[in-house]
Amino acid sequence: DQQVKQNSPSLSVQEGRISILNCDYTNSMFDYFLWYKKYPAEGPTFLISISSIKDKNEDGRFTVFLNKSAKHLSLHIVPSQPGDSAVYFCAAQRGPGSARQLTFGSGTQLTVLP
Amino acid sequence: KAGVTQTPRYLIKTRGQQVTLSCSPISGHRSVSWYQQTPGQGLQFLFEYFSETQRNKGNFPGRFSGRQFSNSRSEMNVSTLELGDSALYLCASSLRTTNTGELFFGEGSRLTVL
Repeated sequence: DQQVKQNSPSLSVQEGRISILNCDYTNSMFDYFLWYKKYPAEGPTFLISISSIKDKNEDGRFTVFLNKSAKHLSLHIVPSQPGDSAVYFCAAQRGPGSARQLTFGSGTQLTVLP
Repeated sequence: KAGVTQTPRYLIKTRGQQVTLSCSPISGHRSVSWYQQTPGQGLQFLFEYFSETQRNKGNFPGRFSGRQFSNSRSEMNVSTLELGDSALYLCASSLRTTNTGELFFGEGSRLTVL
């Protein structure tokens, strides 16, 4: 039973346009959400996060939106750049005690076309 | 400062064998977590070690075990290997005082079981 789902395995976007990656979760006990980016042959790197008490968090070109009632979050990248091409993982944690026991989605491969 | 170091990077084993993977965390990080990444499954939490003690464990069989040494280096062991154990095994380190899931991952050890 996947508690964090990324239903789109892949997404292609033109350079300069907006990329929107989606993530759904089922466990209402999750209170903190993160996005990680992974390039081939490298480990995942932390990108951006959001607490459940907020509905939006912005960091440069990256914005994460959280809709608690829908149990849905999304990552917006504007403008998209070819260097953003990577696998993006959505992750969730259930309280501070599980900060190292994250539940991950299966990932979305983003390809930004020049 | 140096990142998380995992060895070996690649290895091939046959069914029934055992394997030991090593992880050296970032200097000063005393918490080490292990994750398994398989295609379509995302990252799944194996276990976390802090102060040489296992703090949390994921839903994996007892064939998967680990330990942590006094210098915070960690090893994980998989015994009686099965074909389904083929995966990328990722180690992540963090400060135990961190309440959010911002982990620092190594590049992983890719295990192939034949």
